[in-house]
Formats: sequence, C-alpha cells, structure tokens
Amino acid sequence: DQQVKQNSPSLSVQEGRISILNCDYTNSMFDYFLWYKKYPAEGPTFLISISSIKDKNEDGRFTVFLNKSAKHLSLHIVPSQPGDSAVYFCASRSGGSYIPTFGRGTSLIVHP
Amino acid sequence: NAGVMQNPRHLVRRRGQEARLRCSPVKGHSHVYWYRQLPEEGLKFMVYLQKENIIDESGMPKERFSAEFPKEGPSILRIQQVVRGDSAAYFCASSLHGGAETDTQYFGPGTRLTVL
Repeated sequence: DQQVKQNSPSLSVQEGRISILNCDYTNSMFDYFLWYKKYPAEGPTFLISISSIKDKNEDGRFTVFLNKSAKHLSLHIVPSQPGDSAVYFCASRSGGSYIPTFGRGTSLIVHP
Repeated sequence: NAGVMQNPRHLVRRRGQEARLRCSPVKGHSHVYWYRQLPEEGLKFMVYLQKENIIDESGMPKERFSAEFPKEGPSILRIQQVVRGDSAAYFCASSLHGGAETDTQYFGPGTRLTVL
C-alpha cells in the first residue's frame, strides 16, 4: 500500500514553461514533506521542503504547495530549464520520524 | 568533495556470494541511513545507524542482511548469500542531527548491485 503516490511517471515540458509535479499522500500523520531531484547514476539531491504548518514554500524557481485537506502537494518549476530534466521524488515524514516515505518518482523532461 | 561517498559504484555477484557495500558520510555527520531502490520503485528505507549503534532496522530483511557503522571507518551494508532479487540500487544517506524536523539527509551516488 503506497502511502506516497506520484501518479505521473513522466512529464514533458517545453523550456521556459512551468513544470508542475504532483504528489498525493494517504497518511494523515505526515507533517513534513520533501522533494528530491535525481539525475541518472547519481543519488537523490534535496531540493525543497515544506512543513504542514505552511501551505507554500518558495526557493528561487521552485515552489512547493501543500493542500492538507486534499492530502496533496505539488512542485512548481518556473521557468523550466533543460538542466531540470531529472527524476523528482516526493517524500513525506511524520512528526519526530527521521525516515521519509518516498513516492516512485516522476521523470521530467524539459525540451528546448 | 565533502559529500557522501559510496563504493563500489557497481558490484556484480553470483548467487550465493557475499556483497559488501561501503558508505562514508559527510564529514561531521554521525547519522547514516541505507535505502534500496528496486527498478521502477521509490527508495525504501532499510536501516538507520548512529556511530556504533543500530537505531532502527525495521526496513531490513531479517535474514542475510546486516549493517554496521563502526567508530572508525565507513558504514558497511552486508548481504550474505545474495539472490537475484537483491539486485537493486543501494543508497546511503547521512545527516547531522538525526531526528530534528528540519534535518536533511544527503545521499551518496549509490551502489548498483547485480546478482547473476
């Protein structure tokens, strides 16, 4: 039973446009959410996070939105760049836990 | 490079052999985590160690798998008598604070284990 779901295995976006990656979770105890980016043959790299007390966190071109009532979060990348092409993992943690639960990832391709 | 180091990057073993995966955390980090990623899957937690102690091994199979993080040297994930189903990418991560809410885990490049 997947507690963190990324229902789109892949996403293709044109350079300069907005990329929106979605993530749903089922565990209402999750209160801290993270996005990781992964290039082939490399480990995941932390990108951005959000606590459940917020509904938005922004860092440069990356913004994460959290909708607690819908148990949904999304990562917005604007403007998208070819270097953003990677697999993006959504992860969630519950209070006091050090172990994130990962989704299966969404492969983003940004084409020129 | 002060990041998490893992070696080897690729490891090929025949069924029944032993696999040893090494992880050197970020300098100054004393918390180490091992994850496994099967094809088309997300990362699955295996074990969490702090220097010389196993804190949580709830994600690790009860048999054939073991992990250690000695006082000196890298963390080791050992898989005895490997089977084809052990073929996966194994990632190590380290963090500074452990359980703090904002603690961030930094991942190594992974070891890709192939069992023939």
